[in-house]
Amino acid sequence: QVQLVESGGGVVQPGTSLRLSCAASGFTFSDYRMHWVRQAPGKGLEWLAAVSEDGSNGFYADSVKGRFTISRDNSKGTLYLQMDSLKTDDKAIYYCARIKTRGTGDAFDIWGQGTMVTVSS
Amino acid sequence: DIQMTQSPSTLSASVGDRVTIACRASQSISDSLAWYQQRPGKAPKLLIYKASDLESGVPSRFSGSGSGTEFTLTISSLQPDDFAIYHCQQYRTYPWTFGQGTKVEIK
Repeated sequence: QVQLVESGGGVVQPGTSLRLSCAASGFTFSDYRMHWVRQAPGKGLEWLAAVSEDGSNGFYADSVKGRFTISRDNSKGTLYLQMDSLKTDDKAIYYCARIKTRGTGDAFDIWGQGTMVTVSS
Repeated sequence: DIQMTQSPSTLSASVGDRVTIACRASQSISDSLAWYQQRPGKAPKLLIYKASDLESGVPSRFSGSGSGTEFTLTISSLQPDDFAIYHCQQYRTYPWTFGQGTKVEIK
């Protein structure tokens, strides 16, 4: 079935780096723009980044621009989020998500289960 | 950035009630709006896309309306499974943005 599975979360210190992965299955990964969304404890959802179908273009929220990098490996069906210079405010559950249709703008119809990132000294 | 504002933040209701949640965009987003349901400890689930289109498999008691800057999500007859948090989201322009969420709790 269509599925996204995140991994790579954990507890890290401020200023360090972490790379999240999202393994896709059940659909043609290279056909879809992919996104990362996060949710801080007890807070709402925050869109973070998107990557084009071929990986050539990335789009970012101001809160992570310059610190986070979204990328993908279509041969492996995997989405990544490289997070550098982590701050305590980055503590959240990180979800990868697929949009409904091929193209640039649509709702998220498939979500991963989320991976928790804690930034603490 | 486009700001999305939901109201109310919390809603207390009983099984069988008709419930309406509002979502306002700070500028026109046409019909590029989605609604999601999130249960505790779970990922969001798509309910409505394109402001009023019902996602496959979602019960017909859920409906969406609106365009431009004003949108609503309606649950025609609240069921026990519907007590959750509901989020609106615009996908018209990057950065995509979400409302702050509306918690529907048992009265």
